[in-house]
Amino acid sequence: DIQMTQSPSFLSASVGDRVTINCKASQNINKYLDWYQQKLGEAPKLLIYNTNSLHTGVPSRFSGSGSGTDFTLTISSLQPEDVATYFCLQHNSGYTFGAGTKLELK
Amino acid sequence: EVQLVESGGGLVQPGRSLKLSCVASGFTFSNYGMNWIRQAPGKGLEWIADISSGSSYIYYTETVQGRFTISRDNAKNTLYLQMTSLRSEDTALYYCARQDSSWVYWGQGVMVTVSS
Repeated sequence: DIQMTQSPSFLSASVGDRVTINCKASQNINKYLDWYQQKLGEAPKLLIYNTNSLHTGVPSRFSGSGSGTDFTLTISSLQPEDVATYFCLQHNSGYTFGAGTKLELK
Repeated sequence: EVQLVESGGGLVQPGRSLKLSCVASGFTFSNYGMNWIRQAPGKGLEWIADISSGSSYIYYTETVQGRFTISRDNAKNTLYLQMTSLRSEDTALYYCARQDSSWVYWGQGVMVTVSS
């Protein structure tokens, strides 16, 4: 089974900061990595699919990059509404989520 | 508008069974594969099962294999999860999600608590 190691588990940043969240796969997952945002009490929402494709309606301050085993979600300028927990998901072989990154405002 | 509405959750004793439902609307249910995903309280997400549009292909994660059964009734636009031999570690919020290239549409989730 593919394991996903997500870091950091907790992140505190200020409005306007550039924020990066990382996911590392235990083996090559090609481009099949998605990023989800989950706000308190809500279902996860798709942000980025297949490493770097922005889902419809998602602000352009969100971007994804990477390949193979190492992937990054970047928020170019943090906004208050971005406070949430972020998860990566590999779907190259089965489905495995990262453990999540809780993002808070400093 | 795509809607997925789960039901059937509740408090159940260890070893007992429970059946969840997910009613779909706003799209042609029979054209899409479907998934069940769960989230233990304060924890991360875990995919547990999926089923193809015509029920030909079904897959489970190892932790529920042999205890849970995913099924669907395309005439009723409904996805099911039959859960047996429930354990405390099955306590979670259970979501259904439509299978697109990624999981765009999710239900609001239904809580299952396994406790004596």
